[in-house]
Amino acid sequence: QKEVEQNSGPLSVPEGAIASLNCTYSDRGSQSFFWYRQYSGKSPELIMSIYSNGDKEDGRFTAQLNKASQYVSLLIRDSQPSDSATYLCAGTPSGSARQLTFGSGTQLTVLP
Amino acid sequence: GAVVSQHPSWVICKSGTSVKIECRSLDFQATTMFWYRQFPKQSLMLMATSNEGSKATYEQGVEKDKFLINHASLTLSTLTVTSAHPEDSSFYICSARGDNGANVLTFGAGSRLTVL
Repeated sequence: QKEVEQNSGPLSVPEGAIASLNCTYSDRGSQSFFWYRQYSGKSPELIMSIYSNGDKEDGRFTAQLNKASQYVSLLIRDSQPSDSATYLCAGTPSGSARQLTFGSGTQLTVLP
Repeated sequence: GAVVSQHPSWVICKSGTSVKIECRSLDFQATTMFWYRQFPKQSLMLMATSNEGSKATYEQGVEKDKFLINHASLTLSTLTVTSAHPEDSSFYICSARGDNGANVLTFGAGSRLTVL
């Protein structure tokens, strides 16, 4: 079982819609979670970090963490074509605060 | 903010040659840097953790004699792919944490290696 799992997609949404990206993790000791966006041929860039249960909002992005269910999600409101990219969920393994374990990524396409 | 510079951004080499990739933290000191590899349509896989002044820690399945890592200063880590073969063609990305205590990785721009 992978430590961090994502629906590989691809996920397509129309412009202006809400895109919902989901991630589950197996390491119950993981404390920190991150969403990265990666455009084709580029390196990942941080979108959101979340450490506590609940929601965290930043502009059009909302990250949700449920440690009991071992579930992390990212919502993108008012999706734009420029949001089209691969979104990587990552978590910090327990006992190793300095590393990240990445999911396989979800490819999102926002259709104009 | 923390900036990580990586170069070359792309390199093409012949099979059997060695290639060096540099990763620099520009505005902060990084005692630890991480090297990832990403094959097409796959996620990032951690290859090794580079520690300043000591030996790198390699992930299982990564050959330390093939992927030489040197972290001689607080701002520079290098990855050398020795005797490269076509199967080593990949996107190599370094990352580091800023020294402000935040648990956030900053990535370099990546180096795309093509071995002919």
